[in-house]
Amino acid sequence: QITLKESGPTLVKPTQTLTLTCTFSGFSLNTTGVTVGWIRQPPGKALEWLALLYWDDDKRYRPSLESRLTLAKDTSKNQVVLTMTDMDPVDTASYYCAYRPSSAFDHWGQGVLVTVSS
Amino acid sequence: QSVLTQPPSVSGTPGQRVTISCTGTSSNIGAGYDVQWYQQLPGTAPKLFMHGNRYRASGVPDRISGSKSGTSASLVITGLQTEDEADYYCQSFDTSLGGVIFGGGTKLTVL
Repeated sequence: QITLKESGPTLVKPTQTLTLTCTFSGFSLNTTGVTVGWIRQPPGKALEWLALLYWDDDKRYRPSLESRLTLAKDTSKNQVVLTMTDMDPVDTASYYCAYRPSSAFDHWGQGVLVTVSS
Repeated sequence: QSVLTQPPSVSGTPGQRVTISCTGTSSNIGAGYDVQWYQQLPGTAPKLFMHGNRYRASGVPDRISGSKSGTSASLVITGLQTEDEADYYCQSFDTSLGGVIFGGGTKLTVL
């Protein structure tokens, strides 16, 4: 059974750095072809892809946010960490991590709502 | 503005047939990348609904189908039911962006 769960702060101040952790089970990031993605959704708005971490440690970031995003993995803990710097109120959103064995995000975490406010 | 274009809303009465379109370009759907569809019920995380253009995810009834042609894809729901009321998002990959793309989402209302 594949599960993913996001964890991190629900409130951050403008200019602060957000660190979110995706803890997963039921698959290995060492398996060829597997990726874990991060997607966000501002309240009432559409899904927006942020980043992909591939099994071979290759990383892809949304071009418009690339300078602010960093991905890291801890294979021993089955975790993927997303860091986003210089947070702004427009970054208020639900942040999801998802398992992507091929082209589709097969399984999603429940998401964490992050509010950016002073 | 999303790279993939979807109608903001569609509606139908129970039993009717509705189609949700997803229009891309030659750098994504037209380049041969698969299209996926996700269903999102209010207050919940998205769930995979259709993958590989036309393959239903586990638990999705066969009255629902997907297709892709050229630079567009479609999700067709026949025999509309109240339980189909949700937001639907298409997703693909874009070579220019070098990453995943989503449509703007379509709210399906069952009247």
